[in-house]
Amino acid sequence: EVQLVESGGGLVQPGGSLRLSCAASGFTFSTYWMTWVRQAPGKGLEWVANLKQDGSEERYVDSVKGRFTISRDNANNSLYLQMNSLRAEDTAVYYCVREWYWNARYDYYYMDVWGKGTTVTVSS
Amino acid sequence: DIQMTQSPSSLSASEGDRVTMTCRASERISSYLNWYQQNPGKAPKLLIYAASGLQSGVPSRFSGSGSGTDFTLTISSLQPEDIGTYYCQQSHSIPYTFGPGTKLEIK
Repeated sequence: EVQLVESGGGLVQPGGSLRLSCAASGFTFSTYWMTWVRQAPGKGLEWVANLKQDGSEERYVDSVKGRFTISRDNANNSLYLQMNSLRAEDTAVYYCVREWYWNARYDYYYMDVWGKGTTVTVSS
Repeated sequence: DIQMTQSPSSLSASEGDRVTMTCRASERISSYLNWYQQNPGKAPKLLIYAASGLQSGVPSRFSGSGSGTDFTLTISSLQPEDIGTYYCQQSHSIPYTFGPGTKLEIK
């Protein structure tokens, strides 16, 4: 069964750090772009960051650039999100997501497998 | 960044009804448009990719159309399990962006 399981969420004070982990199983992890998407309480979805298969290209939403770092360990089928200088507005459920694509002259990317999410609360 | 808008913001319909919701991009995105369903308390689920591709395992009552800036998600015959919030998302350029969602309820 294809599965993504997040962990590492919790309560942290403003300015603090947290590292999220995502354990992948049931598919060849090293062949997929991987993504973090978050959802603040009662709000919509926000793409946070993604990372190329070999870790050579990482991309971020502007609001987390310089504070968050996405990384992966293909040998252990794991994705990570190191979050530093956390702010109240980073409070959200963080989803680990697999990206795939449909090739028809161009590559049309989409997010086809989602974890259940881990909750991050930034509060004093 | 490409801005995504969705309408209506909420929708109430009866079981068996045909339901349509729309998504608009702030600039042309060809067919780089995906639709997701989020049932209450659950993670999102991919329904439609590349504007009109039906994801494996998704019931055929769901369909997507459109290209450029205007897109539509249609449910041909609404079922009780379809309640939730529907999000469109563009994958044309980084940062990927989602619409604010359409919340669907059953009358």
